[in-house]
Amino acid sequence: TQLLEQSPQFLSIQEGENLTVYCNSSSVFSSLQWYRQEPGEGPVLLVTVVTGGEVKKLKRLTFQFGDARKDSSLHITAAQPGDTGLYLCAGARSNYQLIWGAGTKLIIKP
Amino acid sequence: ETGVTQSPTHLIKTRGQQVTLRCSSQSGHNTVSWYQQALGQGPQFIFQYYREEENGRGNFPPRFSGLQFPNYSSELNVNALELDDSALYLCASSSGQRKNTEAFFGQGTRLTVV
Repeated sequence: TQLLEQSPQFLSIQEGENLTVYCNSSSVFSSLQWYRQEPGEGPVLLVTVVTGGEVKKLKRLTFQFGDARKDSSLHITAAQPGDTGLYLCAGARSNYQLIWGAGTKLIIKP
Repeated sequence: ETGVTQSPTHLIKTRGQQVTLRCSSQSGHNTVSWYQQALGQGPQFIFQYYREEENGRGNFPPRFSGLQFPNYSSELNVNALELDDSALYLCASSSGQRKNTEAFFGQGTRLTVV
């Protein structure tokens, strides 16, 4: 059973379009992190959201933590080919363990 | 600041053999976590070490064991390898057990069991 459901699993869009990736759970997390992973590499941390309702922006990427701290979204504006990669969300259930989603494979076509 | 490094980067082993994977944590970090990532899946938590003690374990059998050294580097040992153990093994270091602490990953070791 996947405790963190990510959707969509795969997304292929044209350069310049907008997109949103979702991360949902029935569990409450103390924080939630978003990572981007390239093939054969380890995940690279993009952002950590901690407070319910929190919104963080990283250039064209906007991250939001749900009010109940059970879900999160990643919105990319005007996607670029360099945004291509596997996007993973991970929720902190305790002070040491991260629960991971299965990832969203994103392809941005020029 | 030195990042997280893992060795080897790739490894091929035969079913039934044993393997040791190594991880050097980021400078200043005393906590190391190990993850198994199957193709097309998110990482699965194996266990975590904090100041040389195992501090949390995921749903993995005892043939997955680990060690953390005084310099906070770590090893992951897998005995009696099975074909399903083929995966990318990731090591992540963090600066302690504070809530919401952020983890930084190595590039992983790709293990193939044949």
